[in-house]
Amino acid sequence: DAGVIQSPRHEVTEMGQEVTLRCKPISGHDYLFWYRQTMMRGLELLIYFNNNVPIDDSGMPEDRFSAKMPNASFSTLKIQPSEPRDSAVYFCASSSGTGRNNQPQHFGDGTRLSIL
Amino acid sequence: GDSVTQMEGPVTLSEEAFLTINCTYTATGYPSLFWYVQYPGEGLQLLLKATKADDKGSNKGFEATYRKETTSFHLEKGSVQVSDSAVYFCALSDRGSQGNLIFGKGTKLSVKP
Repeated sequence: DAGVIQSPRHEVTEMGQEVTLRCKPISGHDYLFWYRQTMMRGLELLIYFNNNVPIDDSGMPEDRFSAKMPNASFSTLKIQPSEPRDSAVYFCASSSGTGRNNQPQHFGDGTRLSIL
Repeated sequence: GDSVTQMEGPVTLSEEAFLTINCTYTATGYPSLFWYVQYPGEGLQLLLKATKADDKGSNKGFEATYRKETTSFHLEKGSVQVSDSAVYFCALSDRGSQGNLIFGKGTKLSVKP
């Protein structure tokens, strides 16, 4: 079975540019999560969706960050304009809502983002 | 709010040594508890879980017991291997969290041959 698929795996771009990260969750999963991982702050939850609807975006650092989930099989995280401090590994994860709190999250391999 | 506290790393052990990584939690409800593992260059993978008090999760020789009285979920392995070198994350999911996980900061384990 295919896991969570993220693209691109690596992104290097100059500050001020728009960056779009993509995620395809596991088929049938109704929760989707976006995380950011850095050495300084560890793993941070940015936003999560249930049935394509954003439930909690309190972790989104600034208005420069936005996330969408137009359908059950695709989500994007966009940074515009990007800044060097946005450099991090961004993970997408998905889970099934059945039995809610005892279902694990399945992570993609992440996008390593470097803003020069 | 809910939180997870892990022992700080890095932890360096020799092959075949005994491993303990401490994890304690604070939660208002009755959470499920998880250990995730992250190998270099990869995403997090579920290692084991426990959904109620006194449950023991186990996988790949790792074990953790849900201790409600001490609000702990310590990870143990009797004999580590070089291939166990990774970062380990403790996490909880509360019934009211709609599937959201609260992660600890992670503990890096290095196993030397």
